[in-house]
Amino acid sequence: DIQMTQSPSSLSASIGDRVTIVCRASQSIDTSLNWYQQTAGKAPKLLIYGASSLQSGVPSRFSGSGSGTDFTLTISSLQPEDFATYYCQQSYSIITFGQGTRLDIK
Amino acid sequence: QVTLKESGPTLVKPTQTLTLTCTFSGFSLSTTGVAVGWIRQPPGKALECLGVIYWDDDKRYSPSLKSRLTITKDTSKNQVVLTMTNMVPLDTATYYCAHSPPSGFDYYFDSWGQGTLVTVSS
Repeated sequence: DIQMTQSPSSLSASIGDRVTIVCRASQSIDTSLNWYQQTAGKAPKLLIYGASSLQSGVPSRFSGSGSGTDFTLTISSLQPEDFATYYCQQSYSIITFGQGTRLDIK
Repeated sequence: QVTLKESGPTLVKPTQTLTLTCTFSGFSLSTTGVAVGWIRQPPGKALECLGVIYWDDDKRYSPSLKSRLTITKDTSKNQVVLTMTNMVPLDTATYYCAHSPPSGFDYYFDSWGQGTLVTVSS
């Protein structure tokens, strides 16, 4: 399996802050990296696919970058609805997810 | 509009076999490049992809669970069925099915079912 490691596991931030979440793959996965947002009791929501493509309907404050083994999800200016848990997912081989990053309000 | 919904038992006993059905609309699983995945999430824990079935009936399973899993599709009924044998309490989780659109070699889940909580307990 390709292991996906996210950092940090949790972070606290304020409305308007710029936040970056890192996802590292145990081997190169080119740009086969996707990001999801999950709020409590809800199914995950796709934010970014192919490492940097914004899913339709997702606000432009979300962006993704990276290739190979290192990837980032950036939220440029946090809004109240962004406090959630974020997961990365690779599809280079058998699909695996990261362990999640919980983002809560400071 | 793509929709998916999981159905099946909410409680199973240890050693029993779990069968979940994903009924979907808004797409065809015979369309080239389309896939449906099963993902689970134990309470308070991370997402885990159990397996994926592709438009051409190819299947990929989590290596750690492969011996216990079977995923099948019925294209005429717009359904995908997950079977997991020898259930144990650690299999207690919310089980989701999700749609992956045609996207070349990259597979991601752009629509999800609401999920169904399955508890394994005697």
